[in-house]
Amino acid sequence: NAGVTQTPKFRVLKTGQSMTLLCAQDMNHEYMYWYRQDPGMGLRLIHYSVGEGTTAKGEVPDGYNVSRLKKQNFLLGLESAAPSQTSVYFCASSYVGSHNEQFFGPGTRLTVL
Amino acid sequence: EDKVVQSPLSLVVHEGDTVTLNCSYEVTNFRSLLWYKQEKKAPTFLFMLTSSGIEKKSGRLSSILDKKELSSILNITATQTGDSAIYLCAVATGDMRFGAGTRLTVKP
Repeated sequence: NAGVTQTPKFRVLKTGQSMTLLCAQDMNHEYMYWYRQDPGMGLRLIHYSVGEGTTAKGEVPDGYNVSRLKKQNFLLGLESAAPSQTSVYFCASSYVGSHNEQFFGPGTRLTVL
Repeated sequence: EDKVVQSPLSLVVHEGDTVTLNCSYEVTNFRSLLWYKQEKKAPTFLFMLTSSGIEKKSGRLSSILDKKELSSILNITATQTGDSAIYLCAVATGDMRFGAGTRLTVKP
């Protein structure tokens, strides 16, 4: 089992460009999450999904969109990247219930110039 | 607004020392408190706590939740250099709130 995988591992964008980060999990988890991690700020939840076809906003959703068309995939989109979105992005998944242990992907380091 | 605060923010100890990391929270709709260890990349799960006063233990690590004081501690005994990492506390509500983490450095 690959667990949770993220694509790409690194990316550099110019301000105003768009991109999509892909998260995939092979554990048949219902719940999936996108976080960003900035120095000194821990992990902050961007959006999450409690099942295929459903998404919800987290703590810092502005500037991001998500889609969960298939149970195993959760996409995070940046429509018009800004330097403030420079961060490390982590995807996670869990069994039913947002209070349970989450399994994290290896992260994507995004730099917006 | 939901809040999770960890202390200290960083800690340097020598091998063999015992450390205590703290996590306090102010949230609505508490469901559980989780501890993760983050080395170079992805956080890895350590403990999940839902009931007050029941200690969870795994080797040299242990943790306990105090719902009256809205806090939890993570203890590491006989520290080793491999324990060097950032330790993250998270509280599950309707979603998940993480603290900023405690960076632990264990020197030989």
